[in-house]
Amino acid sequence: QKEVEQNSGPLSVPEGAIASLNCTYSDRGSQSFFWYRQYSGKSPELIMSIYSNGDKEDGRFTAQLNKASQYVSLLIRDSQPSDSATYLCAVKVASTLTFGKGTMLLVSP
Amino acid sequence: DVKVTQSSRYLVKRTGEKVFLECVQDMDHENMFWYRQDPGLGLRLIYFSYDVKMKEKGDIPEGYSVSREKKERFSLILESASTNQTSMYLCASSPRDRYNSPLHFGNGTRLTVT
Repeated sequence: QKEVEQNSGPLSVPEGAIASLNCTYSDRGSQSFFWYRQYSGKSPELIMSIYSNGDKEDGRFTAQLNKASQYVSLLIRDSQPSDSATYLCAVKVASTLTFGKGTMLLVSP
Repeated sequence: DVKVTQSSRYLVKRTGEKVFLECVQDMDHENMFWYRQDPGLGLRLIYFSYDVKMKEKGDIPEGYSVSREKKERFSLILESASTNQTSMYLCASSPRDRYNSPLHFGNGTRLTVT
């Protein structure tokens, strides 16, 4: 059984702070990892992908992967109110993605 | 940009009706997927398809079937709709199995079964 675990939140941070979102997964055969952002009533949109251990940066976003610990995280620097959304961690094995239930992020002005 | 189009944004159907949810993608992707999303349960995979006329069961296929007669179109069928199938349904596509290919989602269909 493939499992992807996330804290449901909400995670509340003030504007300008760093938001840290975490995800663990159970299947050691997982090959690639994705973070999606989902605004209320909208479909998920891809923010970042990561495939190798370490950090990957894209603008204000940094994804971190530790396969030995089966752990992936997303850091959002200089958080903005527009970052308020649910963040979904997704783990790929073969061709299918398994999603966590998401963490709600609230950024207060 | 990849475009995945779901034919309806909102649908209201009665219990026992046969329901068709249509999805079309314009990027010649081999893989297509149907998920449902429910509060507290997250996104769950119903069915997916690697190629025309191919289908594979996901985690929750009961009560659903699919059809893929053309590469760009993937249909989800509720043979006899029930109230527990009220949900947001999301279609997605990706290119042929490359481990680093993300899914591209459509805008979703919110189905209410009364």
